[in-house]
Amino acid sequence: AQSVTQLDSHVSASEGTPVLLRCNYSSSYSPSLFWYVQHPNKGLQLLLKYTSAATLVKGINGFEAEFKKSETSFHLTKPSAHMSDAAEYFCVVSRSASKIIFGSGTRLSIRP
Amino acid sequence: NAGVTQTPKFRILKIGQSMTLQCAQDMNHNYMYWYRQDPGMGLKLIYYSVGAGITDKGEVPNGYNVSRSTTEDFPLRLELAAPSQTSVYFCASSYSQGTNSPLHFGNGTRLTVT
Repeated sequence: AQSVTQLDSHVSASEGTPVLLRCNYSSSYSPSLFWYVQHPNKGLQLLLKYTSAATLVKGINGFEAEFKKSETSFHLTKPSAHMSDAAEYFCVVSRSASKIIFGSGTRLSIRP
Repeated sequence: NAGVTQTPKFRILKIGQSMTLQCAQDMNHNYMYWYRQDPGMGLKLIYYSVGAGITDKGEVPNGYNVSRSTTEDFPLRLELAAPSQTSVYFCASSYSQGTNSPLHFGNGTRLTVT
């Protein structure tokens, strides 16, 4: 069985400081992992995906995530937050079309 | 390319009314999905389709129906609207179900049932 847990429902950071959004997963198989971002009143947009080619995955807008099998984690980071990063972020584990599991989301707020 | 287009953007229904949420994609994707998003709950899969003429239930299909007569279109039908169906509905598509095939989302339909 698959599951995904986003450990923080809300994260707040000052502009220019690092951001960490945490995600733990559970999967019986080698997982497919994704991070999506949702800006207000918009659909979800792919940030990055883990394809097993490399454990450190780089995405759009300076975000990256590290796959750690021993910790079953796929945390999302950004070295320097920007005001435009304020949004909702979803960690997703996927096995098949009917088994795409979304985390409950982390709302990221950025302080000037 | 328009990507995934959903209409309408907003709708208010009275209990017991029916409506169809429209979804179209122009990327020639085989896989299409309908999700509902409730606050703090992530996205829940309602129905999905792996190609024209083939649909299947997701996690929360009760109260909904779908059809897939063409590759491009995947409408979602609510027959007897109930307050529990108040939600934001997202249509998505993907080329396949593999790791290299992320979901492409529409901008959503915000539905209120009163």
